[in-house]
Amino acid sequence: GENVEQHPSTLSVQEGDSAVIKCTYSDSASNYFPWYKQELGKRPQLIIDIRSNVGEKKDQRIAVTLNKTAKHFSLHITETQPEDSAVYFCAAMQGGADGLTFGKGTHLIIQP
Amino acid sequence: GAGVSQSPSNKVTEKGKDVELRCDPISGHTALYWYRQSLGQGLEFLIYFQGNSAPDKSGLPSDRFSAERTGGSVSTLTIQRTQQEDSAVYLCASSSRQGQSEAFFGQGTRLTVV
Repeated sequence: GENVEQHPSTLSVQEGDSAVIKCTYSDSASNYFPWYKQELGKRPQLIIDIRSNVGEKKDQRIAVTLNKTAKHFSLHITETQPEDSAVYFCAAMQGGADGLTFGKGTHLIIQP
Repeated sequence: GAGVSQSPSNKVTEKGKDVELRCDPISGHTALYWYRQSLGQGLEFLIYFQGNSAPDKSGLPSDRFSAERTGGSVSTLTIQRTQQEDSAVYLCASSSRQGQSEAFFGQGTRLTVV
């Protein structure tokens, strides 16, 4: 089955700086890569996703890049704000019978 | 509101008892997932249902855990002879297409085994 590794486990950045979270996956057949944000005590919510037919996707301050050859993908948050503080999870999925496999999460802390 | 609904929101049970956790997915969603999240930890995959296909049970931690999905809609996760290490938040999610769309999560069931 799929295995997703996520780094770092904790990331602390100054407000206004950029944050980058990286994930690798093992199954070359995986073709869908979402990112979820989980605030304390709340359910995970999708913030951005990318499919294997594109290499980059942007949505305002958030971007995701995908390198299929190297089997890794990254989340980039620019101009970080206090409300960006949360746990972020990457995930990978092969279309079909397999479920959505998550990384172990990154606790992002935005320092004022 | 037509989101994913889980019940109960909290459950305290004695060690050795059986528990049933319920998930009502978004109407029309064919994919349904169960995950377990221990305090401060990640999302541990348990089981995945997709339409009428046989479920992917590869994440169930032991034979004390089972799940079913009746009529392609409501799902029940059953834990038999609960142990203290089963204490966690159990999250259900559903999505509309086979592996290619957003999974919406329920609010979770916080299970405490005492």
